[in-house]
Amino acid sequence: EPEVTQTPSHQVTQMGQEVILRCVPISNHLYFYWYRQILGQKVEFLVSFYNNEISEKSEIFDDQFSVERPDGSNFTLKIRSTKLEDSAMYFCASRGPFSRGNYNEQFFGPGTRLTVL
Amino acid sequence: AQTVTQSQPEMSVQEAETVTLSCTYDTSESDYYLFWYKQPPSRQMILVIRQEAYKQQNATENRFSVNFQKAAKSFSLKISDSQLGDAAMYFCAHDVIYGGSQGNLIFGKGTKLSVKP
Repeated sequence: EPEVTQTPSHQVTQMGQEVILRCVPISNHLYFYWYRQILGQKVEFLVSFYNNEISEKSEIFDDQFSVERPDGSNFTLKIRSTKLEDSAMYFCASRGPFSRGNYNEQFFGPGTRLTVL
Repeated sequence: AQTVTQSQPEMSVQEAETVTLSCTYDTSESDYYLFWYKQPPSRQMILVIRQEAYKQQNATENRFSVNFQKAAKSFSLKISDSQLGDAAMYFCAHDVIYGGSQGNLIFGKGTKLSVKP
């Protein structure tokens, strides 16, 4: 069964450093998402991506963050100048074409645990 | 704004018994989807069950069923014959597909379910 994969599973970084979290969505999917879950809290939407551009972003997704689909398979989240409060689980998700009456669910990857020291 | 509220931070059930997790939501849309996700200690997000708002019939997946009350904006999850493997965080989520939205999931804060042997 096709699945979303994410690497690394755990990333430890020093405050102020840049990190890149990688995701490989399911191959025929068109919509891509990043979510964040701070430990013990709810999952929060960060950004959605479609047709090689950002579709929507939340208030969390400020200039510190960027996303890219560099090679048609990977989908990356870059966090510049990391802060302690960026420590969280980051989930990638993808979905196929959807519309009213033709629903396709989002498939989640296993997540990357980011620890900022 | 769309919101999802889970009023039970923690619940406990005896193995083989039945438990109901509560969820309410707020939306001005008439066309949407509701979900329950399970998050075990591995923190993987696993879709348990899905309900389309236009369907009056409550969704069922094996031991999992929902009670969807559209007018009351209520969406509870019933787990029958609880098993030790059901112990996890359960998140209620809401997905709206309208206009230019790419269907970003909105999550509640979660309910931690413990199953006693």
